[in-house]
Formats: sequence, structure tokens, C-alpha cells
Amino acid sequence: EAQVTQNPRYLITVTGKKLTVTCSQNMNHEYMSWYRQDPGLGLRQIYYSMNVEVTDKGDVPEGYKVSRKEKRNFPLILESPSPNQTSLYFCASSFGQRTTEAFFGQGTRLTVV
Amino acid sequence: AQKITQTQPGMFVQEKEAVTLDCTYDTSDQSYGLFWYKQPSSGEMIFLIYQGSYDEQNATEGRYSLNFQKARKSANLVISASQLGDSAMYFCAMREGGLTGGGNKLTFGTGTQLKVEL
Repeated sequence: EAQVTQNPRYLITVTGKKLTVTCSQNMNHEYMSWYRQDPGLGLRQIYYSMNVEVTDKGDVPEGYKVSRKEKRNFPLILESPSPNQTSLYFCASSFGQRTTEAFFGQGTRLTVV
Repeated sequence: AQKITQTQPGMFVQEKEAVTLDCTYDTSDQSYGLFWYKQPSSGEMIFLIYQGSYDEQNATEGRYSLNFQKARKSANLVISASQLGDSAMYFCAMREGGLTGGGNKLTFGTGTQLKVEL
């Protein structure tokens, strides 16, 4: 089954404790993105990658890092989480430029206290 | 300026009736794509329908259709014969053209919460 898998689904952590949210897709997609969803703001892109070792900032990259060492995986790293990073996070993947569909993971609900 | 505007924060519809969720967009690109996603209370994002800027026909997928009016820059979602399971948040999103397009970045509206009633 074609899917994007994120882990964990839920995470409560403390300020400053480094964490990683994993994302894996099994569709051989080149393009992957991370989004965060906040009430009243919709989803906003954090980082994206167009292929292995090719990543770039989205609209709200501050406080986040990513890596793309393998095509299927695109982890999101919070080196020093802060309460304003409490949000619902989505990983998405798509094939090629000007895609007609983007597949989303199940979401990771992160709370930073 | 907002690139995607959804002016209806909440909508109610009776079961079996049709409902239209509004979406207007703003872009200077000639090539772009418009998407609708459904987000139930469980939180996942479910792809519903896609319309390309060069598509001449309105997109349809089962009970979902997209009323695309290019000159007015609107891409309204029409759900026919509403069901209780349609109760969810609905997001309109746009992928703009360009060489990289931000890695197929989707720009989302703020969503419309739809409640289907008996």
C-alpha cells in the first residue's frame, strides 16, 4: 500500500530536549516536505527536499532542521524545542514537478512544555 | 495578500443535500494546481480532488466536484448528497508553477469546518 509514515503520532516533550520526527514514504517520490498546522493559519511549509541531499527552507524554517540521506526518509529535527513549536506536523511526498497529488502522513501532534 | 482565501470558517448542511465550500486564490503564474483536502477529527489529511490551471473541464471525483472559474480565480468544492461522514475540516490549497515551485509546495487556506446534520 502506498503510504507516508510518520512517527511518533503523539509526543510531549520539555523545552530544549532534542527530538526527531521520522517520515518515510514507499512510493519512490523525489519531493518531500514538512508542514506545520496551527489553528487559524492552515498548513505552512517548514522545509522541503527535491531529492537526496537536496533540501531547502520553506516559509517557517526557524528552529528546525532536516536531512535527506535516503530517498525514502526525510526526518524533521528540533534541536532545542520551544513551546511555540507546539503544533500538528505533517510530512508530505509527491512525484516530480507540478504534481497533481501530494500524499500526507498521519500527522504528529507535538506538545512542548 | 492571502494566496488562498476560504471565507467560511464553518458551514452546516443537512444530510443528502449538496453543499459548496468557497475558495479563491491569488497567483500570477500561468501554470498552477488547485487541491482540496479533507481533515476529519482524527487529524489525517485526505486528498479529495485536483484541478490544473489548464484543465478545461471541471474536475470530478465521485460526490466531489470542483467548480473552477479561472477568470474569477475561484475553485469551489461541491459535495453532493452530503453524508454524516463528510463532517470534517476542508482545506483548499494551491501549488504554483515555476522551475522548482518550492518542491511542490502547497499553500493552504485556513479551512472550512463542515458539519452535516440529520
